[in-house]
Amino acid sequence: AQSVAQPEDQVNVAEGNPLTVKCTYSVSGNPYLFWYVQYPNRGLQFLLKYITGDNLVKGSYGFEAEFNKSQTSFHLKKPSALVSDSALYFCAVRDMNSGNTPLVFGKGTRLSVIA
Amino acid sequence: GAVVSQHPSRVICKSGTSVKIECRSLDFQATTMFWYRQFPKQSLMLMATSNEGSKATYEQGVEKDKFLINHASLTLSTLTVTSAHPEDSSFYICSASYRNTEAFFGQGTRLTVV
Repeated sequence: AQSVAQPEDQVNVAEGNPLTVKCTYSVSGNPYLFWYVQYPNRGLQFLLKYITGDNLVKGSYGFEAEFNKSQTSFHLKKPSALVSDSALYFCAVRDMNSGNTPLVFGKGTRLSVIA
Repeated sequence: GAVVSQHPSRVICKSGTSVKIECRSLDFQATTMFWYRQFPKQSLMLMATSNEGSKATYEQGVEKDKFLINHASLTLSTLTVTSAHPEDSSFYICSASYRNTEAFFGQGTRLTVV
């Protein structure tokens, strides 16, 4: 079975400081990994994905994430946070060999960037 | 990226009435779409998998007679909340996968049953 853990319900960071939102996963095979962002009363917006290749993935709005197979982690990072980054962030996983199955989501982490 | 359009974005209905939510893949064909429900400040809960041309597959605990799903074409899936009650009030989101990799999501529908 696939699962995703986002250990932090809330992350607070000052504007201009680096931010990290943590994610660990569990799959039986090789993972597809994703980060999505959700603003209030909106659907999910795709940020970035890891499918294969370079472990450091760069995505939208200056975000990046590093795939670490030994630690089964896929932490989301940004060098300099903006107030507009404040939102709810979801990590998701799919087993590469599971076909067209739904993504499994973490519980979400609320990021608050303080001016 | 691929676009998934969901309509309406917000609906208020009276208790006992039915509400239909549409999910369209605008620039790709989606043989499978997924319907999620999201409670306030919580993650997405998968309700059902919608398969084009066949019956939907519902997750455990989701009433198939209450949440009717129809996937009549490769670009359209609908979710009908029948005989809605206040406890059905929630945020409903659909998604479709493109090339079996990432999922693209609709804008979501805020349903309020009064």
